[in-house]
Amino acid sequence: EPEVTQTPSHQVTQMGQEVILRCVPISNHLYFYWYRQILGQKVEFLVSFYNNEISEKSEIFDDQFSVERPDGSNFTLKIRSTKLEDSAMYFCASSEPRGASSGANVLTFGAGSRLTVL
Amino acid sequence: SQELEQSPQSLIVQEGKNLTINCTSSKTLYGLYWYKQKYGEGLIFLMMLQKGGEEKSHEKITAKLDEKKQQSSLHITASQPSHAGIYLCGADRMDSSYKLIFGSGTRLLVRP
Repeated sequence: EPEVTQTPSHQVTQMGQEVILRCVPISNHLYFYWYRQILGQKVEFLVSFYNNEISEKSEIFDDQFSVERPDGSNFTLKIRSTKLEDSAMYFCASSEPRGASSGANVLTFGAGSRLTVL
Repeated sequence: SQELEQSPQSLIVQEGKNLTINCTSSKTLYGLYWYKQKYGEGLIFLMMLQKGGEEKSHEKITAKLDEKKQQSSLHITASQPSHAGIYLCGADRMDSSYKLIFGSGTRLLVRP
């Protein structure tokens, strides 16, 4: 079954360092997402990406964050200068265009990248 | 903005028992998605409901969407330890947005 793959599974970094989290979405999916889950809290939307540009972003997704699709397969999340509060599990997801008949928008999630900022 | 409230926040049941998890929306739902998250892992899609009164089943898990499309329930029959995890409901706004907004989740532990 097709899956979304994320690397690294766990990254430890010092406060102020830049971090890049990588994702390979499902090949025929056109919509890509990043979500964040701070330990013990809810899964929060960060950003959605379609047609090589950001389609929507949340208040969390400030100037410290950026996303890129550098080639035909990878989708990356960059945090420019990490803060302690950026420590969280980051999930990448992808979806097909909304179903013409069903209208469904099922997101397929990766296993996550755990970021620890010291 | 749309808010999703899940109840209970956590649940411990004995293996073999039935259980129900609820998800209530502050706004009418276009689509309601149920996901399961094993501790420390990604979200696995279970099922999606769209029509008022709709009910879907997958193995021993049944999900319903009420007629007003503001509340959904997830029912597990004869629970097993493999059902343990965090159950999340997600809402779809069906506008230009393609994101899902999630509730806080219900943590389920099934005791053998």
